[in-house]
Amino acid sequence: EIVLTQSPGTLSLSPGDRATLSCRASQSVSDTNLAWYQQKPGQAPRLFMYDASNRAAGVPARVSGSGSGTDFTLTISRLEPEDFAVYYCQQFGSSPLTFGGGTKVEIK
Amino acid sequence: QVQLQESGPGLVKPSETLSLTCTVSGASVKSYYWTWIRQPPGKGLEYIAYSYHTGSTDYNPSLRSRVTLSVDASKNQFSLQLRSVTAADTAVYYCARGRGAHGAWGQGTLVIVSS
Repeated sequence: EIVLTQSPGTLSLSPGDRATLSCRASQSVSDTNLAWYQQKPGQAPRLFMYDASNRAAGVPARVSGSGSGTDFTLTISRLEPEDFAVYYCQQFGSSPLTFGGGTKVEIK
Repeated sequence: QVQLQESGPGLVKPSETLSLTCTVSGASVKSYYWTWIRQPPGKGLEYIAYSYHTGSTDYNPSLRSRVTLSVDASKNQFSLQLRSVTAADTAVYYCARGRGAHGAWGQGTLVIVSS
């Protein structure tokens, strides 16, 4: 099983700040099998990024994804109020598919 | 636009079977893989299993022995059964489209395991 480790666990930032979220895999993951989700309280997760670097529908251009192999990054260049949420990475190239533990981006 | 809706009991007794159904609209269940994911209160996401209408399935090894999946194309639904539940199975259960990069999710249904 591929273990995904997200860091930091919590990111305390202000609107306008840059957010950098890390997802590290215990084994190599194809970038086409790496996704990111955003989840707000009381809501289902929302697909945010797929194929590691492709924004899902409705995700603004200030959001970018990068990485390959075992290290992946989600970057939000200038935080807007709607960006404060929990973010999960997921790999689905190897069974069982797995999620990271999540990074909470909170308002400082 | 694909919409998914989970349904089933919100309270299940320990040792009994949790049964949930996901009704799909806006797409045929024959067109995609369908996945179940759960989230214990205040915790992260856990993959349960996915299935295809042909019977192709994949399971989280930690739950495999207790899980049964099915797809009913006539009703455009797919279902989850989780046997011998304990308090550790208390969670919000989600159904989702695809076997990764899930672009459509149900709203989730909270299932509490308690006597």
